Amino acid sequence: AQTVTQSQPEMSVQEAETVTLSCTYDTSESDYYLFWYKQPPSRQMILVIRQEAYKQQNATENRFSVNFQKAAKSFSLKISDSQLGDAAMYFCAFCITQGGSEKLVFGKGTKLTVNP
Amino acid sequence: DTEVTQTPKHLVMGMTNKKSLKCEQHMGHRAMYWYKQKAKKPPELMFVYSYEKLSINESVPSRFSPECPNSSLLNLHLHALQPEDSALYLCASSQDNRLQPQHFGDGTRLSIL
Repeated sequence: AQTVTQSQPEMSVQEAETVTLSCTYDTSESDYYLFWYKQPPSRQMILVIRQEAYKQQNATENRFSVNFQKAAKSFSLKISDSQLGDAAMYFCAFCITQGGSEKLVFGKGTKLTVNP
Repeated sequence: DTEVTQTPKHLVMGMTNKKSLKCEQHMGHRAMYWYKQKAKKPPELMFVYSYEKLSINESVPSRFSPECPNSSLLNLHLHALQPEDSALYLCASSQDNRLQPQHFGDGTRLSIL
């Protein structure tokens, strides 16, 4: 079964500090793709960062970076210099192929609060 | 700006009504998706259209009927819904390969009376 687990229902961080959100997944595939999406109260799901499993190098996007440990099936998200606008639900997602189409399997999400 | 446009943003309907949700994208994406999202939960996939053909139906009740009139438009027709169908309905589109991310709309907040 393809599953994604986010073990932290809620996290909080002080503005300008660093926080790490955890994500583990389970798959039998060798080539796959992982994503972090952010959903603020405004509702729109926004892509934060993506990682290709065959790439050793961890992906980075400005203040966002991942720690991808393929053997451990771990894909954590680090947010540096946290800003008030980073407050949102963060979903880790894994892309699988079903019926010839691509499908996202989401974790349950982590609610991030940023304290001023 | 949202590249995937959903209308209406809010919808209140009775259990006997018929209504439709609409989704539009002009990014040339070949796959379009409908998700249902309950409060504080992740999105649950309902349907996937690839090249205007239904490719995934996640065992969704027949009171939800998707339609893809062309590559830019996706509709979700609603009929005889139940109170438990109240949720945020998200539309997304993508190039339909695993590296390319899905782009989401702002969603339609649906309330069933």
